[in-house]
Amino acid sequence: NAGVMQNPRHLVRRRGQEARLRCSPMKGHSHVYWYRQLPEEGLKFMVYLQKENIIDESGMPKERFSAEFPKEGPSILRIQQVVRGDSAAYFCASSPLGGALTDTQYFGPGTRLTVL
Amino acid sequence: KNEVEQSPQNLTAQEGEFITINCSYSVGISALHWLQQHPGGGIVSLFMLSSGKKKHGRLIATINIQEKHSSLHITASHPRDSAVYICAVGGGSQGNLIFGKGTKLSVKP
Repeated sequence: NAGVMQNPRHLVRRRGQEARLRCSPMKGHSHVYWYRQLPEEGLKFMVYLQKENIIDESGMPKERFSAEFPKEGPSILRIQQVVRGDSAAYFCASSPLGGALTDTQYFGPGTRLTVL
Repeated sequence: KNEVEQSPQNLTAQEGEFITINCSYSVGISALHWLQQHPGGGIVSLFMLSSGKKKHGRLIATINIQEKHSSLHITASHPRDSAVYICAVGGGSQGNLIFGKGTKLSVKP
């Protein structure tokens, strides 16, 4: 049973380009969470999705960032017109039952985004 | 003041020592999570607890809801325990975990 998979593991973009980060949850998990870890800072919640639905996006920046979790395929975190401040590690986690308050989350290895 | 505070920030121990990492929070919660982040960056969920105490191998986690405090203990520490240990609490909405800044543990042989 494969764990949570994220790709790419490392992504380099120039300012103004788009970054697409993918997350495939564990088999049987339909709840996905995205977190960001800025250099020398703690993890910050970004968004919580179920299949085809955004449940909580209270941690998402208002502009340039979007997330989806389609019926088929991985969850995608999309960052348009990247800036240097977007450089961070982006982690995805999944859970089988949903609700961070009540369910263990399984983390992916992260995608390290570097914006030049 | 951060909503989740961890102490100490950094901890160096000798192999075999008993280790305690503390977490205090200021928000109402339903569950608290302890995570381990390895030097390579990967994150593993160690515990999720809402009351009392949980034990897994050499790791023990306790929580006191009234005092809004949790502790993570490591017995007979080993160099492979070296990692950053992160406390996280449910912040109200379904997905919104609030994280502490982590405690960096280094266990020397």
